[in-house]
Amino acid sequence: QQQVKQSPQSLIVQKGGISIINCAYENTAFDYFPWYQQFPGKGPALLIAIRPDVSEKKEGRFTISFNKSAKQFSLHIMDSQPGDSATYFCAASKAAGNKLTFGGGTRVLVKP
Amino acid sequence: NAGVMQNPRHLVRRRGQEARLRCSPMKGHSHVYWYRQLPEEGLKFMVYLQKENIIDESGMPKERFSAEFPKEGPSILRIQQVVRGDSAAYFCASSPRRTGGPSNYGYTFGSGTRLTVV
Repeated sequence: QQQVKQSPQSLIVQKGGISIINCAYENTAFDYFPWYQQFPGKGPALLIAIRPDVSEKKEGRFTISFNKSAKQFSLHIMDSQPGDSATYFCAASKAAGNKLTFGGGTRVLVKP
Repeated sequence: NAGVMQNPRHLVRRRGQEARLRCSPMKGHSHVYWYRQLPEEGLKFMVYLQKENIIDESGMPKERFSAEFPKEGPSILRIQQVVRGDSAAYFCASSPRRTGGPSNYGYTFGSGTRLTVV
């Protein structure tokens, strides 16, 4: 059972544009939602994370929007740069546990 | 401070052989997690260990797979009698403590071991 669904699978955006990736979860016990960035041949690296008591969190060019009632959250990459080209994963976990449930990933390509 | 170290980076095994994947957590980290990533898919949780204890192995296949984190030395993920379907990237992550609190910023991934079964 896939508990975190991510879309789109891939995304092409022009330099300076906005990349938007969406995730939906099923398990209402989840209360921590991180986003990871992964480059080829590397492990995932934490980008930004949010808890459901806030609706938005911004760090630099990266913003998470969270809709608790819809059980959805999204990542916005503003002013996308070629160096942002990577695969992005959303994830979720319960407060009491540490295992992360990942979405299927979105491959982002930023064209110069 | 070296990050999470995994070795080997690449491992090729013939069907029926054993694969041993090693993970050395970051200094000061006593919790280790193993994930598997199939091609073009997200990571799937396998097992969570502390020193000498398996805390959660709900993601481990029932047969052929085992994991340990001894008092001394790295954590080991062992796959016996490998099959082609075991080909994947295996990632290890570590944290300094149970991170069920406000943030998981102590949860760091290694660069993975890419297992190919021929």
